[in-house]
Amino acid sequence: EIVMTQSPATLSVSPGERATLSCRASQSVSSNLAWYQQKTGQAPRLLIYRASTRATGIPTRFSGSGSGTEFTLTITSLQSEDFAVYYCQQYDNWPPITFGQGTRLEIK
Amino acid sequence: QLQLQESGPGLVEPSETLSLICTVSGGSLSRSPYYWGWIRQPPGKGLEWIGTIYYSGSTWSTSYNPSLKSRVTISVDMSKNHFSLNMSSVTAADTAVYYCARGFTFDPWGQGSLVTVSS
Repeated sequence: EIVMTQSPATLSVSPGERATLSCRASQSVSSNLAWYQQKTGQAPRLLIYRASTRATGIPTRFSGSGSGTEFTLTITSLQSEDFAVYYCQQYDNWPPITFGQGTRLEIK
Repeated sequence: QLQLQESGPGLVEPSETLSLICTVSGGSLSRSPYYWGWIRQPPGKGLEWIGTIYYSGSTWSTSYNPSLKSRVTISVDMSKNHFSLNMSSVTAADTAVYYCARGFTFDPWGQGSLVTVSS
């Protein structure tokens, strides 16, 4: 099973600033990595797939990078609606499909 | 616009079987990309993939999380355009919000269905 580890667990950033979230895989997942945003009481929403491709309707301030075992989600110019929990997920080697434990992005 | 909606009992007794249905509207189960999954989230915790049903060649196949495989069955009803989750021998540890979603990069998701396991 591929273990996904996200860091930090909580990230405090001011509105308008940049947030950088990390995700590490226990073995290479090539570029088969997705990012999701989850707001309280809502279902997750797909942001990024194939490590760097934005899903339909996702603003350009969200960007993904990386390959192999190291991945980054960057959110530039943070808006109030961006404060949420973010999950990474690998789909390279399954079963099982695995998720990271999440990073909570909070307002500083 | 494709939409998914989970339905089923909100309360299940320990040792019983949890059964949920995901109804797909605005699209067809038999349309590419043909992958349909279940994911759950215990209260205050992260996401756990349960399993996926997918159409390959001329047949439907399933793939399950090894940690749940012995208790889980996912099936599809093309005539009703829905797919189902059955999880047997549930315990309190199975209390969670259960989501259905399309694909293996999950998009879109249903709104989720809270299932509580309790007597």
